Amino acid sequence: GEEVAQTPKHLVRGEGQKAKLYCAPIKGHSYVFWYQQVLKNEFKFLISFQNENVFDETGMPKERFSAKCLPNSPCSLEIQATKLEDSAVYFCASRTDRGEGYTFGSGTRLTVV
Amino acid sequence: QQQVKQSPQSLIVQKGGISIINCAYENTAFDYFPWYQQFPGKGPALLIAIRPDVSEKKEGRFTISFNKSAKQFSLHIMDSQPGDSATYFCAASRYSTLTFGKGTMLLVSP
Repeated sequence: GEEVAQTPKHLVRGEGQKAKLYCAPIKGHSYVFWYQQVLKNEFKFLISFQNENVFDETGMPKERFSAKCLPNSPCSLEIQATKLEDSAVYFCASRTDRGEGYTFGSGTRLTVV
Repeated sequence: QQQVKQSPQSLIVQKGGISIINCAYENTAFDYFPWYQQFPGKGPALLIAIRPDVSEKKEGRFTISFNKSAKQFSLHIMDSQPGDSATYFCAASRYSTLTFGKGTMLLVSP
């Protein structure tokens, strides 16, 4: 399809619980990006993939965050032992290897209580 | 260190007026400058983008002006409409990773 599909739309976790978010990029898009948008609208880059390979992980808090993009599966972003400050909207985006403009999904709102 | 500074934080424009949002960047290695529009509960949508070898790009009512020497670029929305009310983000990219400004909430009054 022509949209980036993110699931679930909302996720509530107690502090210390695990959270797993999914992203199905647009078919034919070889790049996938994860961004975190916090309350003040600020976007923070987390990680990007070129196909199943990590392309740029400079924004990833590696202690508790991990991500994968495996062939024939949705990409995933997993947060172990969630903290209150992880509450945010997590956006996935994809693009082709020729294009520059990303297509964003509608996001997953994670609330840690 | 904020690499892309965006102003103003919020903007109210009358219907039919011109909305102008400004951004400044620090990293001269950035080579792609997009603008995104975001409605509440939605992901950002690409509006228009420019590369530093061009000083202006126009698509419909949206124009990007780019000043490489000043490291600044701006979005102009001509004939602003209530449906343009949204949050606008400038961004800059190097090697695909986008660095976003903090956003401008635009309200176009009827």
